[in-house]
Amino acid sequence: QKEVEQNSGPLSVPEGAIASLNCTYSDRVSQSFFWYRQYSGKSPELIMSIYSNGDKEDGRFTAQLNKASQYVSLLIRDSQPSDSATYLCAVNNFGNEKLTFGTGTRLTIIP
Amino acid sequence: GAVVSQHPSRVICKSGTSVKIECRSLDFQATTMFWYRQFPKQSLMLMATSNEGSKATYEQGVEKDKFLINHASLTLSTLTVTSAHPEDSSFYICSASWTVHGYTFGSGTRLTVV
Repeated sequence: QKEVEQNSGPLSVPEGAIASLNCTYSDRVSQSFFWYRQYSGKSPELIMSIYSNGDKEDGRFTAQLNKASQYVSLLIRDSQPSDSATYLCAVNNFGNEKLTFGTGTRLTIIP
Repeated sequence: GAVVSQHPSRVICKSGTSVKIECRSLDFQATTMFWYRQFPKQSLMLMATSNEGSKATYEQGVEKDKFLINHASLTLSTLTVTSAHPEDSSFYICSASWTVHGYTFGSGTRLTVV
């Protein structure tokens, strides 16, 4: 079983709609969760980090964490063509500085 | 704040030669840096964890003698790909931890071995 799993997509969403990206993880002691956006040929850039159960909002982005279900998601409201990218979920385990990445979900926003 | 500078951004080298990639933390001290490799349409794979003043910790399957990592100061880590071969062609990215939970990435180096 992979440690961090994401649907590879591609996920196509109409412009202005809500894009929903999902991620599950296997290690129950995981404590920090990150969403990165990566444009083709570029390095990842941090969108959101979340550490506690519940929702965390930042502009058009909302991260949701459910530790009981070992599930973290990212919602993008009012999707824009510039949101088209690969979104990487990353997890950090307690006492370990290493980040474990999922395989990423390719998101395409259709104008 | 928390900027990591990575150079070069792109390099083409001949098979059998060595290539050095630099990763610098510009506005903070990074006791730990991470080196990743990413093949097309795949996710980031951690190669090694670089610790200032000590030997790097390599992930399983990564050849220590081929991918030499040096972290001689709190702001600089280098990755040297020795005796490069075409299969080493990839996108190499460094990262540094700047808070307990914060990570920032360099801009990446596209290595092409011909």
